[in-house]
Amino acid sequence: ETGVTQTPRHLVMGMTNKKSLKCEQHLGHNAMYWYKQSAKKPLELMFVYNFKEQTENNSVPSRFSPECPNSSHLFLHLHTLQPEDSALYLCASSQATGSSGNTIYFGEGSWLTVV
Amino acid sequence: GENVEQHPSTLSVQEGDSAVIKCTYSDSASNYFPWYKQELGKRPQLIIDIRSNVGEKKDQRIAVTLNKTAKHFSLHITETQPEDSAVYFCAAHPGGGGSQGNLIFGKGTKLSVKP
Repeated sequence: ETGVTQTPRHLVMGMTNKKSLKCEQHLGHNAMYWYKQSAKKPLELMFVYNFKEQTENNSVPSRFSPECPNSSHLFLHLHTLQPEDSALYLCASSQATGSSGNTIYFGEGSWLTVV
Repeated sequence: GENVEQHPSTLSVQEGDSAVIKCTYSDSASNYFPWYKQELGKRPQLIIDIRSNVGEKKDQRIAVTLNKTAKHFSLHITETQPEDSAVYFCAAHPGGGGSQGNLIFGKGTKLSVKP
């Protein structure tokens, strides 16, 4: 199943580095999401884009910067991260937000380690 | 906003036994309740869902029940097998439009099926 693909799958970065996570969906969906998954908060919603417009920023620190150039692509730009930001970052997509039966399809995730 | 509580956090059963995971939600307007299974190192995948106009839904060994009055829903797995071992997440869709229309996830249940 390759509906939602994420790259890279694994990333190790220093606290002063700048890197980006990429997500692409091939399902014709209009909404895309970034989730952070860690032991403390298993599925923590970070950002939501609906028809390329950001509709939710769940109090995420500014060192995480999302970008959604079109409905099929979503990026998460990372800079000056902290070790506690190490986690699995999951991208997801759905038909659109706000509609009943809004099944979310997840990508395989990007394992991020901040050293 | 919506709040989803999931219990238990860990569950260990013998192969062939049944497993039950329970979730409660706070927003009576929530109308869609999916369950996701996440195997170790893999992405969460939808296994079954139920809408608010239905009380029960079954798919082979998996069933979900919904009690709208009590605002709780449960996942039932019968004749468990070792491959059922995973983390299971429940979720609720608040039913509102726009930025209120995002799935709210429970904290997950780690199910271990012992052979």
